Amino acid sequence: GEDVEQSLFLSVREGDSSVINCTYTDSSSTYLYWYKQEPGAGLQLLTYIFSNMDMKQDQRLTVLLNKKDKHLSLRIADTQTGDSAIYFCAYSSYKLIFGSGTRLLVRP
Amino acid sequence: DTGVSQDPRHKITKRGQNVTFRCDPISEHNRLYWYRQTLGQGPEFLTYFQNEAQLEKSRLLSDRFSAERPKGSFSTLEIQRTEQGDSAMYLCASSHPRSTYTQYFGPGTRLTVL
Repeated sequence: GEDVEQSLFLSVREGDSSVINCTYTDSSSTYLYWYKQEPGAGLQLLTYIFSNMDMKQDQRLTVLLNKKDKHLSLRIADTQTGDSAIYFCAYSSYKLIFGSGTRLLVRP
Repeated sequence: DTGVSQDPRHKITKRGQNVTFRCDPISEHNRLYWYRQTLGQGPEFLTYFQNEAQLEKSRLLSDRFSAERPKGSFSTLEIQRTEQGDSAMYLCASSHPRSTYTQYFGPGTRLTVL
C-alpha cells in the first residue's frame, strides 16, 4: 500500500540485531503494528504501539515511533534463523492498512 | 486450537466458477474482517462485520463478491464468476469487543483461478 512504505529486503547474520523501518502517511492512526508472516501462513501479531507512545519493549523486540516524522521501526535483538520471515508494518483506526512487507533473511 | 480458522486452505478453480470460503473467528470476538493478499504485497482490506452487520465494504469488493455473517459467528465470502485476477490469499481476522484494535488472523485460503 502506498500509504505505508517499507524497504523490501534485509539480510543479517545470526546473533546480530535487525532493524526494520516503516513510514506511513496517516497522522490520525491510533495504533501501529508489526505482523510477521512465514511462508504459506497467515499473519502473526508481533507487537503494537499506541500512537501516544514513543517506545515499547517486549523481550527481544523494541518498537520506536517518531510521530513527527511518521516513522516506525522494529528492532529484533539477537536475531535467530527462526526470525526469517516477512514483516509487515500496519496502522489502523479500525481496519488495518499494511505496507508491502520487508523480507528478513537471517544468515547462519 | 482456539485461533481463527479458515476453510478450505487451498482452492483451485476454473475461470467462471463460483467459490465460497468460510471463516470461524475466535470465540466471543464480535468483529470479523476479510482481507486479500496478492503475491509480494501486504493484505488489503475487503470488508468487516460487527456481529451480523456488515459495516464497510472496500471498493476492491466488486459486485461478484459477497460476504455474510448471518448469526454473528462464522462468515462466508463468495466469489461469483471467478477471474484469473481473483487469484490471491484470502485472510480472515477477528477482534474482541474489549480490544477491537487487536486483530488476530487465520491461516488464509489460497485461491488459484486457472
